[in-house]
Order: sequence, then C-alpha cells, then structure tokens
Amino acid sequence: QITLKESGPTLVKPTQTLTLTCTISGFSLRTSGEGVGWIRQPPGKALEWLALIYWDDDKRYSPSLKSRLTITKDMSKNQVVLTMANVDPVDTATYFCAHKRFGVYYVDVWGKGTTVTVSS
Amino acid sequence: SYVLIQPPSVSVAPGKTARITCGGYNLGSKSVHWYQQKPGQAPVLVIYDDSDRPSGIPERFSASKSGSTATLTISRVEAGGEADYYCQVWDSSSDHYVFGTGTTVTVL
Repeated sequence: QITLKESGPTLVKPTQTLTLTCTISGFSLRTSGEGVGWIRQPPGKALEWLALIYWDDDKRYSPSLKSRLTITKDMSKNQVVLTMANVDPVDTATYFCAHKRFGVYYVDVWGKGTTVTVSS
Repeated sequence: SYVLIQPPSVSVAPGKTARITCGGYNLGSKSVHWYQQKPGQAPVLVIYDDSDRPSGIPERFSASKSGSTATLTISRVEAGGEADYYCQVWDSSSDHYVFGTGTTVTVL
C-alpha cells in the first residue's frame, strides 16, 4: 500500500526559506518509473502543481515558481524534500505530496497535506 | 500559460445526475484526469486518461470528452456527497501539469 506523509513548519516568516519533507512508503524511488510530486492549495482556492522528481533524478518545476523551488530526494530515508525560497504571504497554503509514475500524467495517491502559514 | 475552466458550482438533488465541465484550448489532444476533494481532505483520483476509473471508484463516476470540453458525470448523487472536483492535464508545450479552476458540487 502506497502512502505519503508531509511534514514541515506550520509558520514561516516572509523572505524565509520553506522546507517541506515527504516521507514515502509502499514504493521506492530506487525503482525505475517511480516519482513524487508536490501540489499546493491556498485556502479556498484551486490546486496548483509545484514540482516533480523521478527515480532517475529527473526534475520538473512549475514555470511560474521555478526560480524559487528546489526538489531533492534522499533514498536512504525514503524522503522527498521541497524547498521554496523567499516565501510571501501568498504562499500560505496546504502542501500535498503525491505518487506519480513515469509515463502517466496524473498522480494516483496523495498525502494528507501539511498547512503552512506565511506571516510575520 | 495553459488554462482549464470549470464552472464554480453545480447543484444537484439527491439521486440525480451531476455534470461538471472542463474547458481548455485543444483539450481534445490531451488526456484529462479528474480528482474529488471532500472538505478538509486530500484529493482522490476518480478518473484518469479521459474516462478510466481507478480501482475502488464507483461506476457512478464516468467521464467523456468532446472537442475542447471534458465532462465528469456523477450518477445517483448521494445525500451528503458535497465535494470539490478538479480536472487536470499535462501541457506538453510548457511541460507543466495544470489543474482546473475547480467545481463545488452541492447536494440540495
């Protein structure tokens, strides 16, 4: 059974760097074809795709946020880490990580999400 | 950037059928996926590749596509079945995954 769990700070100050961790189980990023994506949802708003990483370290980013995002993986810990630089109150959102397979263009299993507030 | 437009809300009586549209440029050339999000929960994939249902998703959920519009159909809507629905595609021109604006289904 594939599961994902997000973790990170609940409150971040503007201009700081946000670091979020996704801990995976039921699959491995050592396995060909496996990937993890990050999606966020501001309060009362729609979903927004942020970033994606595959088993082979192929990385994809939202064009509008690319300059601020970095996605990495730590296979020894079964974790995927997303960092977002220079956060602003508009980055206040629930952040989800999700399982994705290479060659398909949707995510099939989501974590429960973690809520981040950006405020001074 | 690529945009997917959905109606903000759809209302339906219990036992009836809800239809949610998703429109986008040249949508016919893209695979459309649909997610259900109940209040306070993470989204769940209900339709992938235009019309396929993941295992465990009831047959009441179906989808189709014609021209630049995709439609999610929920038959025999259940009382208390309020949720938000999002369509999603991969835009090859930007190599980016795009979600629709979202539709709230209200059960009367």
